[in-house]
Amino acid sequence: AQSVAQPEDQVNVAEGNPLTVKCTYSVSGNPYLFWYVQYPNRGLQFLLKYITGDNLVKGSYGFEAEFNKSQTSFHLKKPSALVSDSALYFCAVRPPLIKAAGNKLTFGGGTRVLVKP
Amino acid sequence: DAGVTQSPTHLIKTRGQQVTLRCSPKSGHDTVSWYQQALGQGPQFIFQYYEEEERQRGNFPDRFSGHQFPNYSSELNVNALLLGDSALYLCASSSVSAPYTDTQYFGPGTRLTVL
Repeated sequence: AQSVAQPEDQVNVAEGNPLTVKCTYSVSGNPYLFWYVQYPNRGLQFLLKYITGDNLVKGSYGFEAEFNKSQTSFHLKKPSALVSDSALYFCAVRPPLIKAAGNKLTFGGGTRVLVKP
Repeated sequence: DAGVTQSPTHLIKTRGQQVTLRCSPKSGHDTVSWYQQALGQGPQFIFQYYEEEERQRGNFPDRFSGHQFPNYSSELNVNALLLGDSALYLCASSSVSAPYTDTQYFGPGTRLTVL
């Protein structure tokens, strides 16, 4: 079974400071990892994903994430946070694709990010 | 390029009723997944449709059923509604033709309230 943990319910950061949102995962085989962001009363917006290759993945809106296989982590980072980054962030995982088996995502519980001016 | 669309935006039902939610996938996508997001929680996978068949299912009772049409759009049906079915229902689409790089793109969701 696959699972995702986001250990922090909320992260507070001052505008202009670095932002980190933590995620650890458990899955059989090589994982496919995703980060999504959700603004109030909205659906999920895709930020970035790790499939294979470089451990540092760059995504939308200046976000990046670092894959660490030994620590089974996939932390989301942004060098300089903006007030508009305040939202709910979800980490998700799915196992390596087996043809016709489906690509179900398993989500963490989410981390609320509050960026203060 | 139209993204994933869902209807209706909001819905209020009473216990015991039945509800149908609709989803149109992103252009070029052929696979539709449904998720339930209860307040304060992460989305939970309900099921996934491809080629008009249910390909994968999560831990949801048979009261939850779905359908996919030849144009790849999809419906989620919930029978005998319970208070606990109140949630944001999210539809996501992806393309099976790109299995190793596929990304699920989500619609805005349908907020269901059961009274």
